[in-house]
Amino acid sequence: DTAVSQTPKYLVTQMGNDKSIKCEQNLGHDTMYWYKQDSKKFLKIMFSYNNKELIINETVPNRFSPKSPDKAHLNLHINSLELGDSAVYFCASSLRRAGNSNQPQHFGDGTRLSIL
Amino acid sequence: DAKTTQPTSMDCAEGRAANLPCNHSTISGNEYVYWYRQIHSQGPQYIIHGLKNNETNEMASLIITEDRKSSTLILPHATLRDTAVYYCIVRYNTDKLIFGTGTRLQVFP
Repeated sequence: DTAVSQTPKYLVTQMGNDKSIKCEQNLGHDTMYWYKQDSKKFLKIMFSYNNKELIINETVPNRFSPKSPDKAHLNLHINSLELGDSAVYFCASSLRRAGNSNQPQHFGDGTRLSIL
Repeated sequence: DAKTTQPTSMDCAEGRAANLPCNHSTISGNEYVYWYRQIHSQGPQYIIHGLKNNETNEMASLIITEDRKSSTLILPHATLRDTAVYYCIVRYNTDKLIFGTGTRLQVFP
């Protein structure tokens, strides 16, 4: 009964391809996130959705397109993959209470994307 | 940029208390202090957070100084499974967690 689950766990693909990463949470949360952790281990937010609405977009290239079909899912589609996209991508979720964003975020175990 | 400063690495003997410090001298009055950790090959794990008062849960204790410019995360009886990178983050009413470089805690037998 994993709380935040991502698929696939590993993704190896060639430059120029298009790929998607899926994320699902069963915590009843209304806010979901994508973070990127690069080879130097810096962890940085990319996107955030609240109730399927985009609320954070951290100047990520438009080759990255998040999609939230419902509150429990946030998928990440990446077009025309580049070498620099190699990283670990983490999905997270949290619950806003009365519009308050101070609740902790819960993370999945990441998707390791390698571009050949 | 992260608003916190942490030592790059620390060691702790198994069974002893691990005290991880964090400086946040520019913290504003309504910002919370959060602690997360990342065990190798896993996603960040929430540990604890607090505003002014000391906090304790089943994982750890958080001690915040009276001026709120620094805090200490205490793992009372460290185990080998506590070996991880520990991140101290200050945050108020924002969905954005800004991770710094954290403290790499090595627990040894």
